[in-house]
Amino acid sequence: NAGVTQTPKFQVLKTGQSMTLQCAQDMNHEYMSWYRQDPGMGLRLIHYSVGAGITDQGEVPNGYNVSRSTTEDFPLRLLSAAPSQTSVYFCASRGGSNQPQHFGDGTRLSIL
Amino acid sequence: KNEVEQSPQNLTAQEGEFITINCSYSVGISALHWLQQHPGGGIVSLFMLSSGKKKHGRLIATINIQEKHSSLHITASHPRDSAVYICAVRTHGGSQGNLIFGKGTKLSVKP
Repeated sequence: NAGVTQTPKFQVLKTGQSMTLQCAQDMNHEYMSWYRQDPGMGLRLIHYSVGAGITDQGEVPNGYNVSRSTTEDFPLRLLSAAPSQTSVYFCASRGGSNQPQHFGDGTRLSIL
Repeated sequence: KNEVEQSPQNLTAQEGEFITINCSYSVGISALHWLQQHPGGGIVSLFMLSSGKKKHGRLIATINIQEKHSSLHITASHPRDSAVYICAVRTHGGSQGNLIFGKGTKLSVKP
């Protein structure tokens, strides 16, 4: 049971670099989302998807892009990394609207 | 004002103590979640509830919809319960019912 798999677990980038955080789930969940977690703050929603081909912005979408070409995968792209994007990123998925969320193990990202 | 408030922010207990973590919210919800985040960082869903009370092992979660308040109780606490406990609410409608998270309660249980 893989659940939600995020890669990489750790990454250091220089300001201006781009990269993609990968997220895959094997539970056939329609709903997937990306959050960032910063000290002293609750998890904040970046982008989410309610199914393949459908994405929408969350609370803090600026500087990030997503796509959902398959049910399984929901990558998060940083277009031009900034120090303010230093954070821990979590991908999550759930089945129906009244189902619990399943979280990945997180990606710790540092932007220098 | 945050829509989801947790108290206390930090909690230190001795092994065996009964622990209560509180969550208050100010929005209409369809469900409330309690999550656990261990020092390693992974987040696990403990409970999802929309009314009444749920129990799993030594953990009990209650919710009072009228008062917009939920509590997470841990009986006979153990050092392995040390973690951050996060309350999150799923709102009615809006962004496909996305979760709004509290800032978490950091629990440390001493042997």
